[in-house]
Amino acid sequence: KAGVTQTPRYLIKTRGQQVTLSCSPISGHRSVSWYQQTPGQGLQFLFEYFSETQRNKGNFPGRFSGRQFSNSRSEMNVSTLELGDSALYLCASSLNVASGHGYTFGSGTRLTVV
Amino acid sequence: KNEVEQSPQNLTAQEGEFITINCSYSVGISALHWLQQHPGGGIVSLFMLSSGKKKHGRLIATINIQEKHSSLHITASHPRDSAVYICAVRSYNTDKLIFGTGTRLQVFP
Repeated sequence: KAGVTQTPRYLIKTRGQQVTLSCSPISGHRSVSWYQQTPGQGLQFLFEYFSETQRNKGNFPGRFSGRQFSNSRSEMNVSTLELGDSALYLCASSLNVASGHGYTFGSGTRLTVV
Repeated sequence: KNEVEQSPQNLTAQEGEFITINCSYSVGISALHWLQQHPGGGIVSLFMLSSGKKKHGRLIATINIQEKHSSLHITASHPRDSAVYICAVRSYNTDKLIFGTGTRLQVFP
């Protein structure tokens, strides 16, 4: 069965631009979560969605937003990009948000802001 | 102080050695995850624990809820085990995942 698909894999943007990243979960998985990974801060939680509803949000500014569609696919958007937004953005899907289910991660989108 | 601490930060081993990576946390949790990240970024979920012990092949994960501590053991280590191992806990209060900084493991033949 297909894994978690993230597109694009690599992206270069200029400061001030905005970017949209996409995540397609494993078929049947209804929970999608997003993470940012940087050398300085490590992995940090961004958001979690379940059945099109944002369940939880990490400590990131309002420039970071996301949504989930009825087919469970999710997008995240970063507006007014800053150099510090350069990172690997990972999404993970899970059957549901209950603690009894693990995560399957995508390969990530590597965003470089210049 | 980080809410999730891992030790050691770096670990080198010879092929065949028994390896232990430790994770201590300071928050109440509903689950603890062990993740493996290879160069290039892909992350694989190894274990999810809320109590006791789990085993998968040469990997064993244990958790002691009272002591707020978990260990990941690799028996008969192999160069393909070289990766960063990350501990993450799901906070009971906030329901958010909190990550440790990872343990970089290198296994030499």
